[in-house]
Amino acid sequence: QQQVKQSPQSLIVQKGGISIINCAYENTAFDYFPWYQQFPGKGPALLIAIRPDVSEKKEGRFTISFNKSAKQFSLHIMDSQPGDSATYFCAATTTGTASKLTFGTGTRLQVTL
Amino acid sequence: NAGVTQTPKFRVLKTGQSMTLLCAQDMNHEYMYWYRQDPGMGLRLIHYSVGEGTTAKGEVPDGYNVSRLKKQNFLLGLESAAPSQTSVYFCASTFSAGIYGYTFGSGTRLTVV
Repeated sequence: QQQVKQSPQSLIVQKGGISIINCAYENTAFDYFPWYQQFPGKGPALLIAIRPDVSEKKEGRFTISFNKSAKQFSLHIMDSQPGDSATYFCAATTTGTASKLTFGTGTRLQVTL
Repeated sequence: NAGVTQTPKFRVLKTGQSMTLLCAQDMNHEYMYWYRQDPGMGLRLIHYSVGEGTTAKGEVPDGYNVSRLKKQNFLLGLESAAPSQTSVYFCASTFSAGIYGYTFGSGTRLTVV
């Protein structure tokens, strides 16, 4: 049972464009939603995260939009750069004891010149 | 300041052989996790630990065992390797439940032939 569904599987964006990756979750107990960025041959690294009490969080060119009623959240990358080319994973968890992240299936982003 | 260190980085096993993957963290984190990453399936949790001497099953625990005898180390064992266990294995750790990002190691690429 996939509790976090991520789309698209792959994405090609031109330099300077906006990259948008979407995720949907099923478990209403989830209360922490991070995004991870992974470069080839490396482990995932935390990019940005949001709690459900806010609808948007922005850090530099990266923005998370959160829709609690729809159980959806998305990552927007503004002014996409070739250095942003990587695989992006959304994730979700509950923040109690024995917390563990459930990941989406990943989106491979390629930013072209 | 090494963070999370995984050994080995690469390994080829024959079906039926056993091996142990080692994860070591130097951040005094309480929580440690083992994930496997397969194309199109994202990161799936194998086992995790919420403190020294504790372990718990994740989403895909069959065929794996773990031990957390010391707080800084989390071992993943394969008793009788199968081709279905060909994957990239990632260890992660975090200070507390959920609200802090996970720190991932750089992964172990395991091939079972």
